[in-house]
Amino acid sequence: GESVGLHLPTLSVQEGDNSIINCAYSNSASDYFIWYKQESGKGPQFIIDIRSNMDKRQGQRVTVLLNKTVKHLSLQIAATQPGDSAVYFCAEINQAGTALIFGKGTTLSVSS
Amino acid sequence: SQTIHQWPATLVQPVGSPLSLECTVEGTSNPNLYWYRQAAGRGLQLLFYSVGIGQISSEVPQNLSASRPQDRQFILSSKKLLLSDSGFYLCAWSVRGEAFFGQGTRLTVV
Repeated sequence: GESVGLHLPTLSVQEGDNSIINCAYSNSASDYFIWYKQESGKGPQFIIDIRSNMDKRQGQRVTVLLNKTVKHLSLQIAATQPGDSAVYFCAEINQAGTALIFGKGTTLSVSS
Repeated sequence: SQTIHQWPATLVQPVGSPLSLECTVEGTSNPNLYWYRQAAGRGLQLLFYSVGIGQISSEVPQNLSASRPQDRQFILSSKKLLLSDSGFYLCAWSVRGEAFFGQGTRLTVV
């Protein structure tokens, strides 16, 4: 079946630290993955995406790593800031190729 | 630029009452449209998706239905709400994979 999950429901870090949020997916046929950030009471916002023909992609302060061998995805946030506090979801395209399937989310808390 | 409108932002409805949530998209044609539900502290569960007018796919059996009467309009409905229908409902659209979300509707069934 299709399922995407995250290893840890919560992650607490100090301001300035690097954060790593992990995700495991089960559909080996998935070829597109996205990380979303959701702040309280708002809809998810796109952070960064990666296709299966890549193993790393970098954005501004964020890096996504894809390990297809073990079906693992991670989001690295450099120099984490209080404004990064939110719930982070990974998502993959479903088998029909028509919809994103989300994992359960990791709540990132950044303390000053 | 593309925008997505979802309303209302909050809604309190009694058990057994009907529901209609509306979502419209601007600035794009023939998008894929989605309804997700997010229970408190949980992830996003895909409820329905549509790849075109009148084409609705349901991901999970439930007390809800969806319709797409126009290319950029997606409606989530229920004839009789249950307490378990409470949650945060999100409409989204996508073209070529990435999804963009509305601001959500907080539904409380009392």
